[in-house]
Amino acid sequence: DVKVTQSSRYLVKRTGEKVFLECVQDMDHENMFWYRQDPGLGLRLIYFSYDVKMKEKGDIPEGYSVSREKKERFSLILESASTNQTSMYLCASSPWDRPKQYFGPGTRLTVT
Amino acid sequence: EDKVVQSPLSLVVHEGDTVTLNCSYEVTNFRSLLWYKQEKKAPTFLFMLTSSGIEKKSGRLSSILDKKELFSILNITATQTGDSAVYLCAAYSGGGADGLTFGKGTHLIIQP
Repeated sequence: DVKVTQSSRYLVKRTGEKVFLECVQDMDHENMFWYRQDPGLGLRLIYFSYDVKMKEKGDIPEGYSVSREKKERFSLILESASTNQTSMYLCASSPWDRPKQYFGPGTRLTVT
Repeated sequence: EDKVVQSPLSLVVHEGDTVTLNCSYEVTNFRSLLWYKQEKKAPTFLFMLTSSGIEKKSGRLSSILDKKELFSILNITATQTGDSAVYLCAAYSGGGADGLTFGKGTHLIIQP
């Protein structure tokens, strides 16, 4: 079974802090994704990556960056956290050119 | 811009009822449509539909795709409280690393 893990289930940070969210998958998938999920807005794609060191902007990349140094690991970075980045963050992975994505359990981030 | 619209956004029914959830899409180069169920954490995969008119079934859940009218429905018969969740619909347009375009979800509540 595919397993996608995220470093924290709950995280509380202060405004202006640098925040790292880590995601690891164990199925050798090429594609990895970061979404945020907010009530009434659904799942919105922040960034995705199709290979090591490759990244593509999604629909809402502003205020975020990503890093993929190893195939199994995809990190989301909030350079200077702001209160409007309080959200549920979901990581997902999929094989190349396959639509079915496997999701991690999510990180609920609160920025105060 | 690719768009997926789900309706209703929320639905409250009694245990034993049958429900129909709707998903319409406008996606360039559409290839397939996916349904996920999300309880308190990670979305879990239910169905992937690629061909029009072929019903996919899993227990009390079934789904069908109409590629001419650009919509899909998810049916749940004899609902149980464990069916309470957010049901997400997503359209896939292919292209290797492209992600899914998600709808906002239908929040289904089953009352005992």
